Amino acid sequence: DILMTQTPLSLSVTPGQPASISCKSGQSLLHSDGKTSLNWYLQKPGQSPQLLIYDASNRFSGVPDRFSGSGSGTDFTLKISRVEAEDVGVYYCMQSIQLPRTFGQGTKVDIK
Amino acid sequence: QVQLVQSGAEVKKPGASVKVSCKASGYTFTSYDINWVRQATGQGLEWMGWMNPNSGNTGYAQKFQGRVTITRNTSISTAYMELSSLRSEDTAVYYCARDPPGRDLDAFDIWGQGTMVTVSS
Repeated sequence: DILMTQTPLSLSVTPGQPASISCKSGQSLLHSDGKTSLNWYLQKPGQSPQLLIYDASNRFSGVPDRFSGSGSGTDFTLKISRVEAEDVGVYYCMQSIQLPRTFGQGTKVDIK
Repeated sequence: QVQLVQSGAEVKKPGASVKVSCKASGYTFTSYDINWVRQATGQGLEWMGWMNPNSGNTGYAQKFQGRVTITRNTSISTAYMELSSLRSEDTAVYYCARDPPGRDLDAFDIWGQGTMVTVSS
């Protein structure tokens, strides 16, 4: 199984300030088709997870452009350029290159 | 609109089985894989298994092999996840999630609302 490791595990951010979350995978997530199989999800309090980023850097439909994903191989980053109150929740990375799908431990983001 | 609607909360005794349903609407059920993910209270997300509703092919996490079965009824666009030999550690919210075909969007793009399963004597 591919181990996914996120840091930090919690983050307190002032509204309007940037935030960054790291995700490292135990092996390369570069697919043979050239895409990178790394996704980011946000689980808001009391809700189901929702897709933010797929293929490491593609924003899903309707996701605000303050969210961006980057990285390659085994090291990935989710950045929020200016955190808003509605961005609170737990962020998870997930690899989709092989079964079983595996998630990072989650990073809890709250507002200062 | 595209959605996955799951069955309601369940309370089961240790050793029993539970079957959770996930009804798809707003899209062609057989064109998208369905995955099941669970989350114990205050914990992270754990992938359990996958099914192709068209072929019925399935794949399960080794941790749940022999205890989990994912099935479907295409006539009512519904997927099911049955977990047997329940123990207290299976108390969790269970989610179904849609996975588009091919490699254009290899992620879980639509999630059900979750079903709370409580295992208690």
